Amino acid sequence: AQKITQTQPGMFVQEKEAVTLDCTYDTSDPSYGLFWYKQPSSGEMIFLIYQGSYDQQNATEGRYSLNFQKARKSANLVISASQLGDSAMYFCAMRADNYGQNFVFGPGTRLSVLP
Amino acid sequence: EAQVTQNPRYLITVTGKKLTVTCSQNMNHEYMSWYRQDPGLGLRQIYYSMNVEVTDKGDVPEGYKVSRKEKRNFPLILESPSPNQTSLYFCASSWGRQGPYEQYFGPGTRLTVT
Repeated sequence: AQKITQTQPGMFVQEKEAVTLDCTYDTSDPSYGLFWYKQPSSGEMIFLIYQGSYDQQNATEGRYSLNFQKARKSANLVISASQLGDSAMYFCAMRADNYGQNFVFGPGTRLSVLP
Repeated sequence: EAQVTQNPRYLITVTGKKLTVTCSQNMNHEYMSWYRQDPGLGLRQIYYSMNVEVTDKGDVPEGYKVSRKEKRNFPLILESPSPNQTSLYFCASSWGRQGPYEQYFGPGTRLTVT
């Protein structure tokens, strides 16, 4: 079975500093994709970044980067230079490629950026 | 504008009264999914569909039905809603089965069953 663990229910970070949100995953499928989504207080789900299990390099998208450590089954999200607008819930998710579109999400981490 | 739409956005109903939440996407995506979001549990997949007339159960399918008669539409049906189905529901769609194809989410439907 697929599982995502996010051990930080809540995090605080000072504006302009970097923050790492933890995500560990479990799957027996050798081919999978890892995703991070942001959910602001308005409720919509916003895609941030993707990492494929066979990708050699860590994914980056602007201020977001994914620290992918395959052997440890971790896919931490790093946000550099935090902004007040980064305050939101962040979800790590996984799609096991040999299980169709069976996506599994973690419980989320609520990030609060302090001025 | 590329989007996933859901209706209604808010719904209060009573136990046992059948309801349907509609979902439509205008991106010609093959894959569509339904999720429910509950505090502390994240999003849990209810059903997904890989193409017209092809659907499969997610992690929490009990009490729900879906159908995919057209590529763009993927309605969620609660035949006999119960209070434990009170939740925030999201519909999502994506291009492909593998690769960097993120899901596009609808705005959500907040359902309360009394």
